[in-house]
Amino acid sequence: EAGVAQSPRYKIIEKRQSVAFWCNPISGHATLYWYQQILGQGPKLLIQFQNNGVVDDSQLPKDRFSAERLKGVDSTLKIQPAKLEDSAVYLCASRNTGNYNEQFFGPGTRLTVL
Amino acid sequence: DQQVKQNSPSLSVQEGRISILNCDYTNSMFDYFLWYKKYPAEGPTFLISISSIKDKNEDGRFTVFLNKSAKHLSLHIVPSQPGDSAVYFCAAFAGTASKLTFGTGTRLQVTL
Repeated sequence: EAGVAQSPRYKIIEKRQSVAFWCNPISGHATLYWYQQILGQGPKLLIQFQNNGVVDDSQLPKDRFSAERLKGVDSTLKIQPAKLEDSAVYLCASRNTGNYNEQFFGPGTRLTVL
Repeated sequence: DQQVKQNSPSLSVQEGRISILNCDYTNSMFDYFLWYKKYPAEGPTFLISISSIKDKNEDGRFTVFLNKSAKHLSLHIVPSQPGDSAVYFCAAFAGTASKLTFGTGTRLQVTL
């Protein structure tokens, strides 16, 4: 079984630029999550999708962050414009419906904002 | 507000000995707890979990203990192996529809 795929793995941008991250979850997983992990902290949920609908985006900074999962499979997370404090690893995870206790994580995208 | 706390940022243990990683939580609504293991440049991987109706769960070398009255859980690894060197995250749910809340992680180093 293929795991959660993410790209790019690394990205360096200057502040005020835009950036987008892509995630392909495990086939058949209806639930998809985006997390932000700042150095020295645990992952923090940004947004949760169930198929192509948003379940929880309460911690997504909506003035600059956006995410979509148009066909209920792949997802993109965008930051526009980026700030220095957005430097972090962005993790995508997916879960099979009914198995709520186990999320499968991708390798993450390490973003550096200069 | 850090609802899940891992107060030891790092731990060093000799190979073959027991590793004990601790986690405290403040939200009494948490009813399901998980441990994740993370290697550098990889995403976290699920290790073991425990429901609040239990006080112990074992899986091979890994055992998780839950003390609900103290709002404390711990992960025991016996015997520790060099391949166990990683960052371990404690995480918790408050009901199946809630989000997963992570602790800050403990870096375990198993030395030869």
